[in-house]
Amino acid sequence: DTEVTQTPKHLVMGMTNKKSLKCEQHMGHRAMYWYKQKAKKPPELMFVYSYEKLSINESVPSRFSPECPNSSLLNLHLHALQPEDSALYLCASSQVAGSQETQYFGPGTRLLVL
Amino acid sequence: GENVEQHPSTLSVQEGDSAVIKCTYSDSASNYFPWYKQELGKGPQLIIDIRSNVGEKKDQRIAVTLNKTAKHFSLHITETQPEDSAVYFCAALQNSWGKLQFGAGTQVVVTP
Repeated sequence: DTEVTQTPKHLVMGMTNKKSLKCEQHMGHRAMYWYKQKAKKPPELMFVYSYEKLSINESVPSRFSPECPNSSLLNLHLHALQPEDSALYLCASSQVAGSQETQYFGPGTRLLVL
Repeated sequence: GENVEQHPSTLSVQEGDSAVIKCTYSDSASNYFPWYKQELGKGPQLIIDIRSNVGEKKDQRIAVTLNKTAKHFSLHITETQPEDSAVYFCAALQNSWGKLQFGAGTQVVVTP
């Protein structure tokens, strides 16, 4: 089983709202990722967690705040977003954050910021 | 950092024909090259991958080839079917921290 689940599937929020995206995997993977994908573009890496510790932050604005409460869960807390942050947010996981490791993606959360 | 170029951006093929998508990468240290298929409204799905110690890999109608010297790799889909219609992304693993660099994507349309 290579399933990564994400909730919610869709989210509409105002610029003053606070919301959270959730990601879960039960494959025993110790690396988890957040990607952002705009329409007709490839996924862009935002954050990498390795053994529940943040190992990569790709200069993402502080209005995006990741959290990894345990090895199976990954959250992305959203606050004071801008309309240009509207996108598909993808979570992925891999055995470890090492070379030659396959990343498995979830279905994504489609976010619309009004 | 790593830069991955992917061509063509769109590809229309007749059902039953073959489709080929090509990617080049810039960082000779990259050693893992996955291909993802993304259907409308879904997340990317891994369809095949290749590691740098292998030159070719095949899985039923899908094959990938890797030329490390030239720094390019290709996806080959034979006997295409309408359900192969999707956006395909190549990627290269840039470093040991798991950073995947994606190509721009190829929209494949298979017409019956």
